[in-house]
Amino acid sequence: KQEVTQIPAALSVPEGENLVLNCSFTDSAIYNLQWFRQDPGKGLTSLLLIQSSQREQTSGRLNASLDKSSGRSTLYIAASQPGDSATYLCAVRNWNSGYALNFGKGTSLLVTP
Amino acid sequence: DVKVTQSSRYLVKRTGEKVFLECVQDMDHENMFWYRQDPGLGLRLIYFSYDVKMKEKGDIPEGYSVSREKKERFSLILESASTNQTSMYLCASGPAGKVYNEQFFGPGTRLTVL
Repeated sequence: KQEVTQIPAALSVPEGENLVLNCSFTDSAIYNLQWFRQDPGKGLTSLLLIQSSQREQTSGRLNASLDKSSGRSTLYIAASQPGDSATYLCAVRNWNSGYALNFGKGTSLLVTP
Repeated sequence: DVKVTQSSRYLVKRTGEKVFLECVQDMDHENMFWYRQDPGLGLRLIYFSYDVKMKEKGDIPEGYSVSREKKERFSLILESASTNQTSMYLCASGPAGKVYNEQFFGPGTRLTVL
């Protein structure tokens, strides 16, 4: 069964710093990987989707990379802002799990002014 | 924009009650999903549906059933609610095909079973 791990579990940084969130997965036979943001008590907002054939995707200050062979993805956030404070979730979709997403437990990010 | 709505943001029920959680999406998506989210356990898939009247069990289907009578609506049913079903329930939808497509999530329903 696919296991998805996110490190660190929590992170606190001052405003303006660039930061990296890590996601690793045990089964490299994935269709794609999706990064989400979740604000407290709210649903999930999709940030970036990387197909298995891609190496990275960018949206504004966010850049996600994928190294499928090593089972790793990183989410890079440039020039962090207090509004970036949230939990960031990584999820992968496997060839053998049909439509389901396998989620990590998330990284809780706090950006202080 | 894709919109996925859930019937309630907060719900309080008693043990043994039958509970219905409703999810509606407005993007004509074929696939719909129910997850639950618990501290320390993350999100886990309960059931999903890839077409009207079709359903598939996810990782934790015990104690739940689902109904998909119309394409836009996917209901999660707790036949006899128990305290261990207190959780955040998240509905998601996505277009047909499993390879390239994103899932879009609703705002969640926080269910408390007393």
